[in-house]
Amino acid sequence: AQKVTQAQTEISVVEKEDVTLDCVYETRDTTYYLFWYKQPPSGELVFLIRRNSFDEQNEISGRYSWNFQKSTSSFNFTITASQVVDSAVYFCALTDYGGSQGNLIFGKGTKLSVKP
Amino acid sequence: GAGVSQSPRYKVAKRGQDVALRCDPISGHVSLFWYQQALGQGPEFLTYFQNEAQLDKSGLPSDRFFAERPEGSVSTLKIQRTQQEDSAVYLCASSLGLRSYNEQFFGPGTRLTVL
Repeated sequence: AQKVTQAQTEISVVEKEDVTLDCVYETRDTTYYLFWYKQPPSGELVFLIRRNSFDEQNEISGRYSWNFQKSTSSFNFTITASQVVDSAVYFCALTDYGGSQGNLIFGKGTKLSVKP
Repeated sequence: GAGVSQSPRYKVAKRGQDVALRCDPISGHVSLFWYQQALGQGPEFLTYFQNEAQLDKSGLPSDRFFAERPEGSVSTLKIQRTQQEDSAVYLCASSLGLRSYNEQFFGPGTRLTVL
């Protein structure tokens, strides 16, 4: 069965600190996709990144970076120089590769609070 | 706007009442998903539509839950004889394609409170 674990329930940092959100996944599939979504207080999930299991290259987008390590089944997310606007709940999610459906399996989320 | 919209945003129901939650996906999006998000939890899959066809309803928690998308666009999630454990945020998502890697665009959700 597929499973996503986000062990950090809540993290609080001060603005400009770097913060890493952990994600560990389980799947029997050899090919799959991993996602990160942000859920601000408004409630709408916002897509941040998609990574397929073939590509273990790390990715950087502005202050955001992602570290995918297949050997440890982890897909961690780092925010550099955090800002108050980064405060939200962040979800890691998993789906199978190329299947014709693609419902996401979500972790329980990590609530990030960035204080000024 | 061009995003996914849901209505109502908030719904309070007395136990035993029937409720209907509406989702307007992004125009042209073939795939539509419903998820249930309990307080402090991640969203959990309920059901999936490809156009008007409901291809997977394995996540629906009981036969009190029913979803439809009759014309392949707007979808309605209906809950009959609501129970307190149905209290949650119900999220709708749509995606352009048919594949699992297609980005899902989420609506703001409907927060259902059953008293």
